[in-house]
Amino acid sequence: IQLTQSPSFLSASVGDRVTITCRASQGISSYLAWYQQKPGKAPKLLIYAASTLQSGVPSRFSGSGSGTDFTLTISSLQPEDFATYYCQHLYSHPFGFGQGTKLEI
Amino acid sequence: QVQVVESGGGVVQPGGSLRVSCAASGLTFSSYGMHWVRQAPGKGLEWVAFISNDGSNKYYADSVKGRFTISRDNSKNTLYLQMNSLRAEDTAVYYCAKVQSGTYDPFDYWGQGTLVTVSS
Repeated sequence: IQLTQSPSFLSASVGDRVTITCRASQGISSYLAWYQQKPGKAPKLLIYAASTLQSGVPSRFSGSGSGTDFTLTISSLQPEDFATYYCQHLYSHPFGFGQGTKLEI
Repeated sequence: QVQVVESGGGVVQPGGSLRVSCAASGLTFSSYGMHWVRQAPGKGLEWVAFISNDGSNKYYADSVKGRFTISRDNSKNTLYLQMNSLRAEDTAVYYCAKVQSGTYDPFDYWGQGTLVTVSS
């Protein structure tokens, strides 16, 4: 199963609403997670089961979708949100990741 | 407080072997499956391997199958990745990660990573 994220790079400003998409090469139901990674740090789980917010993650993050098309939305960008975002499917092994979306100021 | 801490990375020659470890604390280690994920310098995340909570099920990425072996010692709360026949393309930061609950659940705790460099 291949995951394709778009865009690969995204420039935005504090306060903007941004959406990142992830498309799976075959249906994966809702077995999709989103992670945030900052330079030199481990990835952090944001959303799982396509739309469930991980405990402690701000409510400005949301996820939607099922089957093959998924989105991650940040409703109002904060300075700490500038990072790289990855989607990952958990439908079957190998548990692949998308190529990443780098969100820049 | 759940913590997972990797160790054992270093520089190894092509064709060589290395074992990296991941020590877990703050959880009932024997209750959770564990993964290894790697990230080559400047690149994205690549899933490497999974082991179930009791070690009975193991899965590997095609890129490492037959060369890498994942294992665990629940009495020591430690996860291992034995890497043989290493290649330049195996150069990466290796992260261990805990599953949230079951095999097909997301990875909710990650270590800080350990760098493996394959170079002559």
